[in-house]
Amino acid sequence: KAGVTQTPRYLIKTRGQQVTLSCSPISGHRSVSWYQQTPGQGLQFLFEYFSETQRNKGNFPGRFSGRQFSNSRSEMNVSTLELGDSALYLCASQLRGWNEQFFGPGTRLTVL
Amino acid sequence: SQELEQSPQSLIVQEGKNLTINCTSSKTLYGLYWYKQKYGEGLIFLMMLQKGGEEKSHEKITAKLDEKKQQSSLHITASQPSHAGIYLCGADQGQGAQKLVFGQGTRLTINP
Repeated sequence: KAGVTQTPRYLIKTRGQQVTLSCSPISGHRSVSWYQQTPGQGLQFLFEYFSETQRNKGNFPGRFSGRQFSNSRSEMNVSTLELGDSALYLCASQLRGWNEQFFGPGTRLTVL
Repeated sequence: SQELEQSPQSLIVQEGKNLTINCTSSKTLYGLYWYKQKYGEGLIFLMMLQKGGEEKSHEKITAKLDEKKQQSSLHITASQPSHAGIYLCGADQGQGAQKLVFGQGTRLTINP
């Protein structure tokens, strides 16, 4: 069974631009969570989608948004990029609420 | 909100030695997840603990969740170079594993 895939793996943007990251969960997994990892703040929860609905949300500004499609694939969007948005963005998929999450390889976003 | 503190933050051990990493929570742990991360890459799921006193092992790695469910430990026996990486503990906050809070991580280096 294929794992969680994320595209692109690397991205370089400039301040003020917007970016869209994509995540394909493990087949059969309907829950997709997104996390941001930075050296200073560590790994922080962004949001979680289940059956195309945002079910949980972390403490991030509205510039960070996401969506999930009917095939469970998910995208996250960051608008008006800031230097502090430079991070590794990880998505994780899960079969059910009390099962473990499986993480993708991440998208490394650099904002110049 | 729940916070996880990992200790030590960094660990350097001689190949073949045993080691322990601790994860202490500010609140009762409903579910505790251990992950390993190679620098800049995705997280690899190691183990999930849900019941107080639970202990799980996989190859040379053993994880325990203490009876009072506010601390977990990860023990590696006879360490090998392949064990090097960053170990992260994550806790669900009673809402399932789709929204995890993570510790800051423990960086493990194995010297030959």
